[in-house]
Amino acid sequence: AQSVTQLDSQVPVFEEAPVELRCNYSSSVSVYLFWYVQYPNQGLQLLLKYLSGSTLVKGINGFEAEFNKSQTSFHLRKPSVHISDTAEYFCAVSGQRGGNQFYFGTGTSLTVIP
Amino acid sequence: NAGVMQNPRHLVRRRGQEARLRCSPMKGHSHVYWYRQLPEEGLKFMVYLQKENIIDESGMPKERFSAEFPKEGPSILRIQQVVRGDSAAYFCASSQTHTDTQYFGPGTRLTVL
Repeated sequence: AQSVTQLDSQVPVFEEAPVELRCNYSSSVSVYLFWYVQYPNQGLQLLLKYLSGSTLVKGINGFEAEFNKSQTSFHLRKPSVHISDTAEYFCAVSGQRGGNQFYFGTGTSLTVIP
Repeated sequence: NAGVMQNPRHLVRRRGQEARLRCSPMKGHSHVYWYRQLPEEGLKFMVYLQKENIIDESGMPKERFSAEFPKEGPSILRIQQVVRGDSAAYFCASSQTHTDTQYFGPGTRLTVL
């Protein structure tokens, strides 16, 4: 079975500052990793995903994440945040074989302060 | 190509009534997943279906909840005799194959009075 831990439930950051949202996972099998963003009262939008290949993954809205297998982490980063980045961010993992149900972290609420 | 559609977006029910939530997957997607998001929590997997088959329902409560994905029409998540604890956002996702990325709908927010 897989599980995901998002260590920070809330992250306040000033506009134009860099941000890192942490995600650690545990799994006994090879996994796919995802970051989703959820704006208030909306569904989840895929930010980026790691399936294989380069461990540095670039996504939409200037976000990127790095897969670190030895540390079982997939932290999300952005060098300069904007007010519009205020949202809930979810890290998710799925097994590479069969079923493909996603396991989500509890989310990190990012608040960008003007 | 339209995304995943869910309706209704908001649903209010009184305790003891039935709730029916619908999900139309993206065109060409035959795999559907239902998740529940309780207030202040992440999404929890409920059930995974392919056309006419339930593949994995390990996350479904044993009573009152059922899901189907008929050959024609949307996938339906049905909650019988709703209770206040069922109040949540219910999200549907679809994928083209069982290993592909899941794309999420906007969710149905169920409020039980």
